[in-house]
Amino acid sequence: GDSVTQMEGPVTLSEEAFLTINCTYTATGYPSLFWYVQYPGEGLQLLLKATKADDKGSNKGFEATYRKETTSFHLEKGSVQVSDSAVYFCALKLFTDKLIFGTGTRLQVFP
Amino acid sequence: GAGVSQSPRYKVAKRGQDVALRCDPISGHVSLFWYQQALGQGPEFLTYFQNEAQLDKSGLPSDRFFAERPEGSVSTLKIQRTQQEDSAVYLCASSFRQVGETQYFGPGTRLLVL
Repeated sequence: GDSVTQMEGPVTLSEEAFLTINCTYTATGYPSLFWYVQYPGEGLQLLLKATKADDKGSNKGFEATYRKETTSFHLEKGSVQVSDSAVYFCALKLFTDKLIFGTGTRLQVFP
Repeated sequence: GAGVSQSPRYKVAKRGQDVALRCDPISGHVSLFWYQQALGQGPEFLTYFQNEAQLDKSGLPSDRFFAERPEGSVSTLKIQRTQQEDSAVYLCASSFRQVGETQYFGPGTRLLVL
């Protein structure tokens, strides 16, 4: 079935380090892809999205490119901040509107 | 404007008790979704409404779970005869139109069944 696989966390980085969180997917069609973020004590927020192959989603310094050939949507940021500490979820959506999420990756950034 | 709100934020229930979880979507949002998030896992789809019509309930884990949205706005997720495995965070999300719109999530209701 359709699914999303994310790298396990926690990912621990120092401030200003480069971030990559890997995400790959399995889908029967051509999904839309999303990254959601969950800050401590808050609800899920959409971080960025891409709806077709080679699209790049970006927001708050984060980027992810929809790669159909590798079925991937890796999240990157050039310089993380302490305030980026959160849990990041990769998700896909196909023909219906329901989202299929990965298990989440916790990011911890230390000063 | 106000976001999606959920109540209660926390609920402790004894095994076998019935619970009702409420979701107030963003005003004017047509679509409403319920997800279940177990500890350390990603959210999993439970059910979906478009206005008052429940279009997909394929994710409801058993017939103890029931959701309604009678007037196309507020929704209630009801769990009958709760079991320990029902302990999770229940998330509600809403979106403006039928297809393709961003889903906005509420803060969730954390349910603990003892």
